[in-house]
Amino acid sequence: DTGVSQNPRHKITKRGQNVTFRCDPISEHNRLYWYRQTLGQGPEFLTYFQNEAQLEKSRLLSDRFSAERPKGSFSTLEIQRTEQGDSAMYLCASSLNKSPLHFGNGTRLTVT
Amino acid sequence: SQQGEEDPQALSIQEGENATMNCSYKTSINNLQWYRQNSGRGLVHLILIRSNEREKHSGRLRVTLDTSKKSSSLLITASRAADTASYFCATDNNNDMRFGAGTRLTVKP
Repeated sequence: DTGVSQNPRHKITKRGQNVTFRCDPISEHNRLYWYRQTLGQGPEFLTYFQNEAQLEKSRLLSDRFSAERPKGSFSTLEIQRTEQGDSAMYLCASSLNKSPLHFGNGTRLTVT
Repeated sequence: SQQGEEDPQALSIQEGENATMNCSYKTSINNLQWYRQNSGRGLVHLILIRSNEREKHSGRLRVTLDTSKKSSSLLITASRAADTASYFCATDNNNDMRFGAGTRLTVKP
């Protein structure tokens, strides 16, 4: 499978715990995006990388959220001290420069 | 923050009918793209229209773009039950891709 891969597919955690999600983009893609999506809404932009550089972060991304793409390949999104409001689908997408985005199937986070 | 807004929020039609969804946006764009999302899955790119184009076709899809009105429409002709999904427009404005809230399309067999 050469598409965008996200792990885990589902994550249930208790409020206050830290969680980390991983995204493996399509191998030749230099751009990587993270989005958050709640039920019935469109994807909300969180951040994006060009190679290993994080070029933009949304104001939605509080200090509890951090994303990395250390070698310009896979990326991780960490949420510290999770809150119930963090429950959502976290989507990763990659692209080659300005080409259309290729999405993974997301990680569904439930904070209890 | 969201960039595009789709209209209507939900649309229900019979198989064989055409479906039209609209998108309005706020800032200048390089291009506008339409994506489809089946429940519980990631989004799939359908079609891209550049800011200097007015209309584009791909199979049963027809997209129009009016930059003076900052709006776009997606027409799906001869709809099928398998077209049931959510449809999102997304705008590319140099920095990142921003999505609207989507139109939920239901095609009844």
